[in-house]
Amino acid sequence: DAGVTQSPTHLIKTRGQQVTLRCSPKSGHDTVSWYQQALGQGPQFIFQYYEEEERQRGNFPDRFSGHQFPNYSSELNVNALLLGDSALYLCASSPGTVYGYTFGSGTRLTVV
Amino acid sequence: AQRVTQPEKLLSVFKGAPVELKCNYSYSGSPELFWYVQYSRQRLQLLLRHISRESIKGFTADLNKGETSFHLKKPFAQEEDSAMYYCALRAGTTDSWGKLQFGAGTQVVVTP
Repeated sequence: DAGVTQSPTHLIKTRGQQVTLRCSPKSGHDTVSWYQQALGQGPQFIFQYYEEEERQRGNFPDRFSGHQFPNYSSELNVNALLLGDSALYLCASSPGTVYGYTFGSGTRLTVV
Repeated sequence: AQRVTQPEKLLSVFKGAPVELKCNYSYSGSPELFWYVQYSRQRLQLLLRHISRESIKGFTADLNKGETSFHLKKPFAQEEDSAMYYCALRAGTTDSWGKLQFGAGTQVVVTP
């Protein structure tokens, strides 16, 4: 089992552009959560998807949106990128919404 | 509002010495507390959850509701314990089940 897989591992975008990050959950996991981790800080919760719906959302603007597909994989979209969006974006999956999470290695986004 | 505070950014200990990582939280309800660890070049992984009341890799943590703390302890540090440690809280309400609130992390360096 590959665990949680995220792609791409790194990318560089220009301010104002849009980006899509992808996550494949661990086998048997149906819930996906996304976190943003700025340098020197702990991960910050963005949102969680379960049964293809956004179930919970953290303190992030509407520029951050997501999607979950029938195979439980998920995408995180960020529009109108700002320099402050530069961070490591982590995906975590779990079997249901209340159990322990398995994290992916993350996507390092740099906005220039 | 929920908050997790890890007062030490860096903890340097000698091999064989005891190590204690502090975690204090702010939450009015019944939280679930976790410790996550990230070894060099590896992904974030669950170390302990207070509900399990178990010892993992020699680490233990006790939830003290009176002091709102969940300190992580190990009596004899090993070099392989060098890593970044994050304390995390999940609220005990149905509208917050999915969200983990992380602290800023403590970098532990164990020197021989």
